[in-house]
Amino acid sequence: AQSVTQPDIHITVSEGASLELRCNYSYGATPYLFWYVQSPGQGLQLLLKYFSGDTLVQGIKGFEAEFKRSQSSFNLRKPSVHWSDAAEYFCAVGAYRDDKIIFGKGTRLHILP
Amino acid sequence: DTGVSQDPRHKITKRGQNVTFRCDPISEHNRLYWYRQTLGQGPEFLTYFQNEAQLEKSRLLSDRFSAERPKGSFSTLEIQRTEQGDSAMYLCASSLVRGRGTDTQYFGPGTRLTVL
Repeated sequence: AQSVTQPDIHITVSEGASLELRCNYSYGATPYLFWYVQSPGQGLQLLLKYFSGDTLVQGIKGFEAEFKRSQSSFNLRKPSVHWSDAAEYFCAVGAYRDDKIIFGKGTRLHILP
Repeated sequence: DTGVSQDPRHKITKRGQNVTFRCDPISEHNRLYWYRQTLGQGPEFLTYFQNEAQLEKSRLLSDRFSAERPKGSFSTLEIQRTEQGDSAMYLCASSLVRGRGTDTQYFGPGTRLTVL
């Protein structure tokens, strides 16, 4: 069965530092991959998605993610974080032949001033 | 604002009461999804509609839960005889999908349910 693993429940970085959030998936077909962000009390906002093509995907708010098929990973990166990036981040996986997407448990990002 | 909207944003109820939530998707979207999110977890799929047809229900959706999308536009999710374990954020999402498969889902702000 398909699954998504986000190994880090919490991550703390200093403002201005670089960020990488890890995501590993298990899927029997070529996946569609998503990163969403959720601020406290809010719904989920799409940061970026990968369906096919270039494995390095650019998203909103300066985020990018790289699909690595050999490692079954889709890690999210940002070169310099801002205090407003503090939120919970969810990786999700779907596929062309499936009608729904599966979410990981999320990584909560804390920013130190 | 043409995003997904949900009403109410918060609901507090006593155990055993019935509650109903509403979701209005992005207007041209044919797919509508319901998810449940508990503290420290990612959203868990409950059910989805393509137009007015309910195509899949998760085993998480007990007999006390029912969802409708009568005209293929807005949807309602009703929980009968609420239990404390139903306390969660209920998220609605919509997407535009032609045929089968998945595509980007756009989420509403959610309805936070607290069952006392």
